[in-house]
Amino acid sequence: DVKVTQSSRYLVKRTGEKVFLECVQDMDHENMFWYRQDPGLGLRLIYFSYDVKMKEKGDIPEGYSVSREKKERFSLILESASTNQTSMYLCASRGHQSHEQFFGPGTRLTVL
Amino acid sequence: QKEVEQNSGPLSVPEGAIASLNCTYSDRVSQSFFWYRQYSGKSPELIMSIYSNGDKEDGRFTAQLNKASQYVSLLIRDSQPSDSATYLCAVNMGAYSGAGSYQLTFGKGTKLSVIP
Repeated sequence: DVKVTQSSRYLVKRTGEKVFLECVQDMDHENMFWYRQDPGLGLRLIYFSYDVKMKEKGDIPEGYSVSREKKERFSLILESASTNQTSMYLCASRGHQSHEQFFGPGTRLTVL
Repeated sequence: QKEVEQNSGPLSVPEGAIASLNCTYSDRVSQSFFWYRQYSGKSPELIMSIYSNGDKEDGRFTAQLNKASQYVSLLIRDSQPSDSATYLCAVNMGAYSGAGSYQLTFGKGTKLSVIP
């Protein structure tokens, strides 16, 4: 079974703080993704990575950066958290041959 | 703008009935189609993948694809209260090269309620 884990289920941060969200997958997948999910807006892609040290912007990259130093780990960074970044953050991974994406449990981030 | 459209619902069906969830997509070259189930407060879980026109059955679930009509559906037979969730349709709408080929475009989901 594909296993995608995320560092925290719930996180509360203050405006202006630097926030790190980590995602780890154990299936040797090449591709990893960060989404945020908000009521009424659905899933929106922030960034994705198709290889170590490679990254591509998704639909809403502003205010975020990512890091992929190892194949199994993909980090999302909020350089200076703002209240409009309060959301559910979901990490996903997929292998090279398939378009099926598998999600981690999600991190519900609240920025006060 | 590449889009995936779903009726937001809620769709209410009695226990034991067939639930029918529908999805349309805008990109004619799309090749891969997925249904995810998402319980409240949880992350999406992949339940069906379909790549060819026609029906694909897995237990109580049947996915149906019609590429000419740009339409994909999910049927849930013998619906159970445990099927109550939001169902997300996802489509790979990119060409087979470039950044778009990696991405899935998700619909906003249809909320299903199965009434005991």
